[in-house]
Formats: sequence, C-alpha cells, structure tokens
Amino acid sequence: KAGVTQTPRYLIKTRGQQVTLSCSPISGHRSVSWYQQTPGQGLQFLFEYFSETQRNKGNFPGRFSGRQFSNSRSEMNVSTLELGDSALYLCASSLAAAGTEAFFGQGTRLTVV
Amino acid sequence: DAKTTQPPSMDCAEGRAANLPCNHSTISGNEYVYWYRQIHSQGPQYIIHGLKNNETNEMASLIITEDRKSSTLILPHATLRDTAVYYCIALAGGTSYGKLTFGQGTILTVHP
Repeated sequence: KAGVTQTPRYLIKTRGQQVTLSCSPISGHRSVSWYQQTPGQGLQFLFEYFSETQRNKGNFPGRFSGRQFSNSRSEMNVSTLELGDSALYLCASSLAAAGTEAFFGQGTRLTVV
Repeated sequence: DAKTTQPPSMDCAEGRAANLPCNHSTISGNEYVYWYRQIHSQGPQYIIHGLKNNETNEMASLIITEDRKSSTLILPHATLRDTAVYYCIALAGGTSYGKLTFGQGTILTVHP
C-alpha cells in the first residue's frame, strides 16, 4: 500500500511569508502527527490530529497551525516565517494514537531566506 | 513519558550483531518501549516495540529487563544499510495522542 506522502518535498520561502505543507496519510489511518527537525533541536512534536480534531500540541508558537480534513489528509501552516523555521517537517500517520506504530513520510525541507 | 538515555554513538562490523542499549529507569507500568531509526535524509522508521516481554520481528529483537528499567535492541546481522540514528522512546498507552518524544538517539555506524 502507498506510504505517507508529503508535498512539496522542497520549498524556499522569504522571511515574513507564509507556507502550507500537505500530508496524505496511509489509507485507513486517522491519526496524523507533525514534527519539526532541525540540527540544533532534533525532532520535535508539533501537533496531532485525529478525526479532524487536534488532540495534542507541542510547544510551538501560534504561527504554527494545522488542520485535518474528513479524508484524514492534513495540512500545516506557518505564518510570518522566520529564518529559524528552516527545517525538515515530517508527517506521521497511524491507525489510532498511542500504542500503535507511526509511519513517517519523507518530509518537506523548508528553507527560509 | 519517561526519559530515555542512549549512548551517543556505536560501531558495529557488518554481519555481526548490533546491540543498542537504552536506559529508562523511570518508566511507568503503562509505558511501552518503542524503537525507531532514521536513515540520513529520510523520515524515521518504526522498528519494534514492547511492554514487558521480549519481542522479535523481521527487523530486530527487543530485550526488556525484568524490572523494565532498561532494554536492548538487537539487529542480529547488521548490514551497511543499518547505519542510522536509532531512537528509544518510552510511550504511554492511550494518552500520548501521537506524541513521540525523540531524544538524541544513538548513531550506529556499520563498518565493512
């Protein structure tokens, strides 16, 4: 079966702009989580959605937001981009939430200039 | 979720078993031990998880001590493709809502 698909794979944006990243989970998976990975901070949890509801949120400013659609596809948005937002953004899907394995996409590499 | 401690790096010869330790001395009764790995420039990959009993799948074996304070991930016949960062994560069942807390992990380098 198809894996987790993230688009686009690479993105370059200018400071102050906003960006929307997309994640299509594995068919049948209803939980989608987002992570940010940077060399300095490692992998950090952003938020998790299940059945279109955000159920968990990490310690990120309000500029980072997300949503999930009825088909479980998810988007995350970052507004007023800062240089420090340059990172690899990873999406993971799972059947439920805790206690099941998460499948990660290849990520979107965002560069803010 | 309980904090986990792993050595920053390990080496292994190709074809030999790679034994990656993880300390989770404050783990609670409802927390599972999960292992993921991340090969350079790819998303993390699930390997195995367990609660109390030892587990084995096609990728690896997980040995959890009786007191559950530590565990060891075993790759029985390491290959060059197993070179990656390995993460040990303690995760409570039913309440973590998708949140995996990744530490620094162990960089495993498999040598020819």
